[in-house]
Amino acid sequence: GAGVSQTPSNKVTEKGKYVELRCDPISGHTALYWYRQSLGQGPEFLIYFQGTGAADDSGLPNDRFFAVRPEGSVSTLKIQRTERGDSAVYLCASSSGLAGGLGSGANVLTFGAGSRLTVL
Amino acid sequence: AQSVSQHNHHVILSEAASLELGCNYSYGGTVNLFWYVQYPGQHLQLLLKYFSGDPLVKGIKGFEAEFIKSKFSFNLRKPSVQWSDTAEYFCAVKDTGRRALTFGSGTRLQVQP
Repeated sequence: GAGVSQTPSNKVTEKGKYVELRCDPISGHTALYWYRQSLGQGPEFLIYFQGTGAADDSGLPNDRFFAVRPEGSVSTLKIQRTERGDSAVYLCASSSGLAGGLGSGANVLTFGAGSRLTVL
Repeated sequence: AQSVSQHNHHVILSEAASLELGCNYSYGGTVNLFWYVQYPGQHLQLLLKYFSGDPLVKGIKGFEAEFIKSKFSFNLRKPSVQWSDTAEYFCAVKDTGRRALTFGSGTRLQVQP
């Protein structure tokens, strides 16, 4: 697609429930990132995919968080047993090529509008 | 671990005033530097980036930023702000240690007409 698409735009759930957030990156972009942005903070890295594999999941806060990208395009962020502290805007970004080396255009991220998660 | 500091959390200016937003990072090696902007109700957009070469980088909408390696800084500037520049501005850094960008906490700019 023309941009990074995220659904749902808003999700309200109850503590303890399971949530899935979806990201559809720019067509042809092989790198996909999930970030979380809490109120008054900058985006905080969660996980990075290169193709189908999670190349860096060091930002996932605990084992309740999991993400997949089975066909190397759409990705789903899954949160189990949600807690009130999980409330935030979850951002997805994509970039072309293989991120890593400095000076690469692959380091330029295009962001989606985000999914706002509220856990009551 | 890399950290990025944006010291100004909220800045209020009148139209035509000059703007400078501070950004400092902690990594001592080679970095790529970015400023992203988030206008009200919109998603994060790239404003400008520095990879190498001329440390004075020009971006969209009249913004520029200067990379000063000795100060670990990448401050954003604009000579004359407009009401439409009201937004939140985020500095971000990419180093050799990780694939993802590290963001600062953001500066909320409010321009009064």
